Amino acid sequence: SAVISQKPSRDICQRGTSLTIQCQVDSQVTMMFWYRQQPGQSLTLIATANQGSEATYESGFVIDKFPISRPNLTFSTLTVSNMSPEDSSIYLCSVTKGEGTEAFFGQGTRLTVV
Amino acid sequence: GQNIDQPTEMTATEGAIVQINCTYQTSGFNGLFWYQQHAGEAPTFLSYNVLDGLEEKGRFSSFLSRSKGYSYLLLKELQMKDSASYLCAVRDSNYQLIWGAGTKLIIKP
Repeated sequence: SAVISQKPSRDICQRGTSLTIQCQVDSQVTMMFWYRQQPGQSLTLIATANQGSEATYESGFVIDKFPISRPNLTFSTLTVSNMSPEDSSIYLCSVTKGEGTEAFFGQGTRLTVV
Repeated sequence: GQNIDQPTEMTATEGAIVQINCTYQTSGFNGLFWYQQHAGEAPTFLSYNVLDGLEEKGRFSSFLSRSKGYSYLLLKELQMKDSASYLCAVRDSNYQLIWGAGTKLIIKP
């Protein structure tokens, strides 16, 4: 298994500002992902965080808006830039330890943009 | 395109049995997962099927038929704490997880 610490757990931010979310894992993991989940909806993958290189973004998500860092095998950050109320959502960090294994999730960050 | 279908909402009675179905159409298949998500919390892993058949884990069982693109999650002896959303996810040929929209399960006394 993997224990994931995700911070902050929630925040209320002014539009136009940026928020950086941190994800720390208690052990080295192969893959790290960032998801967004709107209330009552399923998970939408934002990007795969790649160690030592640029993240791989899904359609509809761009690096300028959601810059991601992954300096090592246990840590990643997601920044939500120039926020608008439409960015209000839950952001989740997820990891896997191998291609055939299950995904583990951080506690999530509940972001409200006012 | 890739698609996973599951019912939006189901209601069941405490102590009863409920079956949540999931059908999928994906580019390749490398396993199917079920997750439980309580409101305001992160998803937690329940089960994993990669071969056809039934996997049993206590009160929860999961079934897979790859030829039919079909799975179900069976919950027995329902408890009030089982009220949650249940997410079906399939790992495709690129080992990416494709998520269903989730089934909200409401347990009534």
